[in-house]
Amino acid sequence: EPEVTQTPSHQVTQMGQEVILRCVPISNHLYFYWYRQILGQKVEFLVSFYNNEISEKSEIFDDQFSVERPDGSNFTLKIRSTKLEDSAMYFCASSEPSIYGYTFGSGTRLTVV
Amino acid sequence: AQSVTQLGSHVSVSEGALVLLRCNYSSSVPPYLFWYVQYPNQGLQLLLKYTSAATLVKGINGFEAEFKKSETSFHLTKPSAHMSDAAEYFCAVSPSSWGNEKLTFGTGTRLTIIP
Repeated sequence: EPEVTQTPSHQVTQMGQEVILRCVPISNHLYFYWYRQILGQKVEFLVSFYNNEISEKSEIFDDQFSVERPDGSNFTLKIRSTKLEDSAMYFCASSEPSIYGYTFGSGTRLTVV
Repeated sequence: AQSVTQLGSHVSVSEGALVLLRCNYSSSVPPYLFWYVQYPNQGLQLLLKYTSAATLVKGINGFEAEFKKSETSFHLTKPSAHMSDAAEYFCAVSPSSWGNEKLTFGTGTRLTIIP
């Protein structure tokens, strides 16, 4: 069964540093997403991406965040100048419009120290 | 705006007993509803989805959920719990069934199975 692959599974970074979380969506999917889950809290939508541009973003997704699909297969989330409160599990997902149901990756646990 | 409320952040049931996880929704448009399961250190796996085709939806691993518009509910059930069902369960809502809209999640229910 096709999978969404996220790397790394766990990343520790110092406050103020930039991090890039990487995702390889399912190859024929057209929509891409990032969600995050702060420990003990619910999963929150960050951003959706379609046709090489952001289609929707939440209020969480401020100028500190950016997304990119640099080479047609990877989908990245960049967090500039990380803060302690950015510590969370970040999930990538992809979908295609004809079959509903995202496929989520297994997540990247980001720890900011 | 859409939202879901999951009643009970922790639910414990005995192995073989009925599992009932509650989800109520709020939506200004016809909702599309989902249940996801998250096993420890894993991603979110789709259990089942309601897309208006049938009010009783059957999913994987013996789970099912019934959409009740009058009660704005979409509770998840399983007749007989198994140890492998221990996980976190999330209810989610979307305004679209086309897979191109964001999901709004509930706060989750951690299911513990007592041997």
